[in-house]
Amino acid sequence: DQQVKQNSPSLSVQEGRISILNCDYTNSMFDYFLWYKKYPAEGPTFLISISSIKDKNEDGRFTVFLNKSAKHLSLHIVPSQPGDSAVYFCAASALITEYGNKLVFGAGTILRVKS
Amino acid sequence: DAGVTQSPTHLIKTRGQQVTLRCSPKSGHDTVSWYQQALGQGPQFIFQYYEEEERQRGNFPDRFSGHQFPNYSSELNVNALLLGDSALYLCASSHPGDEQFFGPGTRLTVL
Repeated sequence: DQQVKQNSPSLSVQEGRISILNCDYTNSMFDYFLWYKKYPAEGPTFLISISSIKDKNEDGRFTVFLNKSAKHLSLHIVPSQPGDSAVYFCAASALITEYGNKLVFGAGTILRVKS
Repeated sequence: DAGVTQSPTHLIKTRGQQVTLRCSPKSGHDTVSWYQQALGQGPQFIFQYYEEEERQRGNFPDRFSGHQFPNYSSELNVNALLLGDSALYLCASSHPGDEQFFGPGTRLTVL
């Protein structure tokens, strides 16, 4: 049972344009969402997060949008740069405990930014 | 400031063998989580350790066990290896409730 889904295995975008990566979830208990970026031979790197009490969070070129009613979130990268080429994972967690979050990941989307 | 480190980088084992993977958390972190990433999939939560105890566990069999030491470092043990255990094993460290920082992973191949 895949609770977090990234339906696009890959995305190709021209440098300078917007990249939009999408993620859907099924578990209504999820209350915190994150995006991680992963380069080959490295571990995932935290990019940006959003709490379920918000519908938008922005950090520089990266913006995450959350639509709770649709159980959908998206990551916008503007403008896209060749260095953004990586695998992007959407992750979700529920019931943030004092012992930290158990993260549920999607399968990832490979982003290629062409120069 | 050293990040999360894992050893070994790569490992090849045969079916039925046992393996131990190691993780040193980022300086100042006391919580360690382990994830398994199979080819073409996202990381799957195995378990989490805090104060030397397993606090949360994912849907993995008892063949997967772990340990956390007083210095917060951690080990992941897998017994009776199966071909399906071949994956990238990721360790992540954090303070409880904070963002998790991942190590580069250990690539395990079971033949």
